[in-house]
Formats: sequence, structure tokens, C-alpha cells
Amino acid sequence: GDSVTQTEGQVTVSESKSLIINCTYSATSIGYPNLFWYVRYPGEGLQLLLKVITAGQKGSSRGFEATYNKEATSFHLQKASVQESDSAVYYCALSDRWNQGKLIFGQGTKLSIKP
Amino acid sequence: GPKVLQIPSHQIIDMGQMVTLNCDPVSNHLYFYWYKQILGQQMEFLVNFYNGKVMEKSKLFKDQFSVERPDGSYFTLKIQPTALEDSAVYFCASSPGGLNTEVFFGKGTRLTVV
Repeated sequence: GDSVTQTEGQVTVSESKSLIINCTYSATSIGYPNLFWYVRYPGEGLQLLLKVITAGQKGSSRGFEATYNKEATSFHLQKASVQESDSAVYYCALSDRWNQGKLIFGQGTKLSIKP
Repeated sequence: GPKVLQIPSHQIIDMGQMVTLNCDPVSNHLYFYWYKQILGQQMEFLVNFYNGKVMEKSKLFKDQFSVERPDGSYFTLKIQPTALEDSAVYFCASSPGGLNTEVFFGKGTRLTVV
């Protein structure tokens, strides 16, 4: 079936250091999925951080970037220099391009920033 | 930005009783969704709803579950009767529809069945 895997449940990074959160996916029934990163800040609802719908393209928002790698079936989230305000839980997700509200989520990665 | 509101944020119910979870979606959105997240697990799609009808439901959407949006008011998820395994956080979401539109999520209602 279709699935999303985030291997790290929790990541701690020092402020101003770089970050990478890994995401791989399997899309056996969805031929060409849309890929997303969602974020939940403390006390807030889940919100879209970025999305990419074309293989090989990069999405970016708030200093975060992710590239749709169809060959590696990956969509890793990166940031060059994290800030304390980036502390949140990050979810990788995919959907069929014709049914974008039906999202398949990864387990989520909690990012903590050390001052 | 647009907000999806969920009321209440936490509800405790006795096993076997009925519960209704309420969601106030973004106005003028046409598609509505419920997701379920059991503690420590992934958020999973339950159902989507459009034009007064269930469009698609997952295997998690048991016969005891029902959804409706009477007269354009709250979008509700009803569970009758509740079971212990229904304890989870339920997230409501809405979207305007069409290609490449964003889905907006509420903060969730934590349901505890005792």
C-alpha cells in the first residue's frame, strides 16, 4: 500500500545549526503523488509548510526546503540555520493529485532547538 | 489565515454512550474531512464529505461512525456507541476544492472513552 516513513521521532538541533528531517514514501497505488510537509507549532493546528507536485522540483517556505526525489522516493526537509521558533512537530505526507484532501501522513518528527 | 474550529478540545465519555464532535470549517469551503490519531501513531484519514454526501471512507470509519453537515452549519462526527478503541484525537479539515488547493486543519478534539 501507500505509506510515508519518518525515521526520527525526535530531533534536537542547536540554534543556527543545519537541519535535515528524513522522509521516504511508497506510492504503489498512487502513480504520481503530491508531496507535503505540514507543521504543528505548540498550541496550534496543523498547517501546510510546503508542497511539491512535480518530481525533481524543490519547494521552499520560511527557510525550509524539500526536493521531490522520485528515484529515491524521498522528500527530506532541510534548513540551513534553525531558530528557536522552529520548534514544532513536522509531518511528511502524500496524496493523490486528484484527491488532495486524502493525505497519508508519516509519524511526525518533533524538532527541539537548543539555545 | 483561515481557521477550522473544533469544539470541545477534550471530551470524556463513558463506553457505549454516543458522542458528537463538532467542527466549524472555513466558510465557503466545500470539502470536509475527519482524521484520527491514536496516541503515538500516525494521523489517519477517516472520511471525506462533499455536497451533503460521504465521498470516501477508510476502513477505520466503522459502522458506528456517521458524519453530517445539516444546513451548512457544523460538520459533525458522531460515534454511537463508543468503544474504548475510539479514544484518540480527531482532526477536522476543510478545503475549497479543485486542483492544488490547500487543506486546513483544526487543532483537534481529544476523545477519551472510559
